[in-house]
Amino acid sequence: AQKITQTQPGMFVQEKEAVTLDCTYDTSDQSYGLFWYKQPSSGEMIFLIYQGSYDEQNATEGRYSLNFQKARKSANLVISASQLGDSAMYFCAMGPYNQGGKLIFGQGTELSVKP
Amino acid sequence: DAGVIQSPRHEVTEMGQEVTLRCKPISGHNSLFWYRQTMMRGLELLIYFNNNVPIDDSGMPEDRFSAKMPNASFSTLKIQPSEPRDSAVYFCASSWGVPLHFGNGTRLTVT
Repeated sequence: AQKITQTQPGMFVQEKEAVTLDCTYDTSDQSYGLFWYKQPSSGEMIFLIYQGSYDEQNATEGRYSLNFQKARKSANLVISASQLGDSAMYFCAMGPYNQGGKLIFGQGTELSVKP
Repeated sequence: DAGVIQSPRHEVTEMGQEVTLRCKPISGHNSLFWYRQTMMRGLELLIYFNNNVPIDDSGMPEDRFSAKMPNASFSTLKIQPSEPRDSAVYFCASSWGVPLHFGNGTRLTVT
């Protein structure tokens, strides 16, 4: 069975600093995708970044990058130059390779950015 | 472009009543998903459709839950009869490849 683990229930970061949110996964599949979503207090789920299991380069999207270490089964999210608007819940998820649905989510990390 | 549209945004109902949640996916997307979010269980997949056909409903908790997708632009999730433990945020999401796009959710409260 597939499983996503996020071990940091809550984190604080100073504005303009970088922060890493941890995510480890467990699967016996060779083909899979890893996702990060942001959920602000308003409740919507916002897609941030995707990494396929066959992708050799770490994915980047603006200030977001995914530190993919396949052997360690980790897919940490790095947010550079944190902004106050980054305060939110962040969810790591796993699903089929190159498909958007049928995701298994971690329990989330609540990030608070301090001014 | 319009995103995934869900209605209503909030629903408060009494135990035993029927509840219908509605979803309009993004035009052109061929897969539609219903997720439920609670504090205890987090985000969990209830059911998903591919090209309007239900593919996997193993996450539907009980026979009280049913979902339909009569056409490519509309889906419903029905709970009958509703119970207090059904209180949650219900998300509809759609995709064509990557990524999965979520609606804003329906917050359901069953008293």
